[in-house]
Amino acid sequence: DTGVSQDPRHKITKRGQNVTFRCDPISEHNRLYWYRQTLGQGPEFLTYFQNEAQLEKSRLLSDRFSAERPKGSFSTLEIQRTEQGDSAMYLCASSLVGQRVTDTQYFGPGTRLTVL
Amino acid sequence: AQSVTQLGSHVSVSEGALVLLRCNYSSSVPPYLFWYVQYPNQGLQLLLKYTSAATLVKGINGFEAEFKKSETSFHLTKPSAHMSDAAEYFCAVTQTGGSYIPTFGRGTSLIVHP
Repeated sequence: DTGVSQDPRHKITKRGQNVTFRCDPISEHNRLYWYRQTLGQGPEFLTYFQNEAQLEKSRLLSDRFSAERPKGSFSTLEIQRTEQGDSAMYLCASSLVGQRVTDTQYFGPGTRLTVL
Repeated sequence: AQSVTQLGSHVSVSEGALVLLRCNYSSSVPPYLFWYVQYPNQGLQLLLKYTSAATLVKGINGFEAEFKKSETSFHLTKPSAHMSDAAEYFCAVTQTGGSYIPTFGRGTSLIVHP
């Protein structure tokens, strides 16, 4: 049973550059979530997908952020024109939501982004 | 609307002592409640969850939590702390029948002294 994986684990970039993160959920899970976590805070919701459909986006998700889940499997999160304030841990989680299944989210190890 | 308040950003205990981490929630509908643990530079791991069944929920690593509707609380306890319990703990709430998007508390750092 492989868990949620994220790649890369660490990313250092210069301000203004674009970055892309990948998340591979648990294979049978139909929901995929992206969160951002800054130091000393709990995870903050960014967006989520049910299968390939992006159903909700937080107001935290500015125009510079875009997420995709093209075939309902893995997902990518892209940040364009990075700013120092984007420095954070980006967490991905997946879950199986159905009629009789309680949503429990399983988290990946995160991608730590540092913008210089 | 939903929210979570975790009282105390840091809790310090001696090895073998009782662990008590406090969580109070606010929800306009019956909630689901969760406790997660996070070790440094890692993702979150589910400790336990309340989903409207038994009010006393047992989780992994000897942790348990009790749902008290009258107090809107879901405190996490462990009878005897171990050094390996030192980590960040997050309480989270979701609303039943909704999009299941959780709201997390700010976390409590558990420090265990030998």
